[in-house]
Amino acid sequence: QQQVKQSPQSLIVQKGGIPIINCAYENTAFDYFPWYQQFPGKGPALLIAIRPDVSEKKEGRFTISFNKSAKQFSLHIMDSQPGDSATYFCAASRGGSTLGRLYFGRGTQLTVWP
Amino acid sequence: DTGVSQDPRHKITKRGQNVTFRCDPISEHNRLYWYRQTLGQGPEFLTYFQNEAQLEKSRLLSDRFSAERPKGSFSTLEIQRTEQGDSAMYLCASSPERAVYSGNTIYFGEGSWLTVV
Repeated sequence: QQQVKQSPQSLIVQKGGIPIINCAYENTAFDYFPWYQQFPGKGPALLIAIRPDVSEKKEGRFTISFNKSAKQFSLHIMDSQPGDSATYFCAASRGGSTLGRLYFGRGTQLTVWP
Repeated sequence: DTGVSQDPRHKITKRGQNVTFRCDPISEHNRLYWYRQTLGQGPEFLTYFQNEAQLEKSRLLSDRFSAERPKGSFSTLEIQRTEQGDSAMYLCASSPERAVYSGNTIYFGEGSWLTVV
């Protein structure tokens, strides 16, 4: 059973566009929602993360929007660049001793055309 | 380089053979995690340690899999009697104990690719 559902599976935008990736979860015990970026042949790298007590978080060109009542969160990439082409994973985790166990979505392969 | 280090990066083995992967976490991190990632999927949790204690194991970690962290520093993941379905990237990650709430995070290594032929 997929604990975190991610869409779309792939996304193609032109340089300067704003790709949006969506994720949904069911387990209300989740209280940490990170996004990871992964380039081919590399391990995932943390991009940005949010906790459910805020509805939006911005770091540079990356923004997470969080809707606690709908149990959904999304990643927006402003002014996307070809260097942003990668696979993006959303994830979720519970607090306390199980914080480290991340449940990942299946990923979105983003291509940004120059 | 002070990141999470994994070795070997690539391993090709025949079905039925045993393989072992090593992970060296960031030196001050007392939590160490193993994940498995197959093509087109997100990483799946296998197990994690706090110091030398293995605190949680996923049901994905069958009897053929064993992970150790004997001195609370590096860790090994051994797969016995490998099967073709074991072909995947095995990711190691580490973090301080008080990760997120203290502003820290979980850092992943580059992964160890396993191909079982």
